[in-house]
Amino acid sequence: QVQLQESGPGLVKPSGTLSLTCDVSGGSISSSNWWSWVRQPPGKGLEWIGEMFHSGSTNYNPSLKSRVTISVDKPKNQFSLKLTSVTAADTAVYYCARVGAVADFFDYWGQGTLVTVSS
Amino acid sequence: AIQMTQSPSSLSASVGDRVTITCRASQGIRNDLGWYQQKPGKAPKVLIYEASSLQSGVPSRFSGSGSGTDFTLTISSLQPEDFATYYCLQDYNYPWTFGQGTKVEIK
Repeated sequence: QVQLQESGPGLVKPSGTLSLTCDVSGGSISSSNWWSWVRQPPGKGLEWIGEMFHSGSTNYNPSLKSRVTISVDKPKNQFSLKLTSVTAADTAVYYCARVGAVADFFDYWGQGTLVTVSS
Repeated sequence: AIQMTQSPSSLSASVGDRVTITCRASQGIRNDLGWYQQKPGKAPKVLIYEASSLQSGVPSRFSGSGSGTDFTLTISSLQPEDFATYYCLQDYNYPWTFGQGTKVEIK
């Protein structure tokens, strides 16, 4: 059973960098899956941030593209999210998720981690 | 970016009711659409992918239909555990975009 677990600081200062890691267990980060980040501001809807493949290929949401980097750490079987120049609008629950290999849908999700941007 | 418009934004229904949620895309997306259920404090869970394929383990009372721009999620007989928020998601092109959500509440 594949499991994903987000980790990282729960509080980030405005203009700082948000850094999160997603640990993958029960499966390989080098499988035929894309790995994604999705976020959800408190009380609001879901927003796709971007995705990566173990080869290093990435796709990002243009609304965040200039500030976001998603990268892989194969030896640790994890992938990461960095979001720079954060503001209060980046306060959200951040989820990591796996895209199915057979079809494009999120088949496994992490539990989510709340990141608050505040001084 | 493709805009996904869900309706209604919320609804009240009773156990046993048939519930229908719709999602309209701002342009054609073939059948590249999924439906997700989210309960408070939990990650979303996929119900339907490719517009009408039922994800393994999901009860058969959930069904999806549609193609192009108009899609429907139907719950044939609402159960107590189905009270949640439902989102559609298009994966036709980047950026993937979600509908704004439909909250299903107890009547």
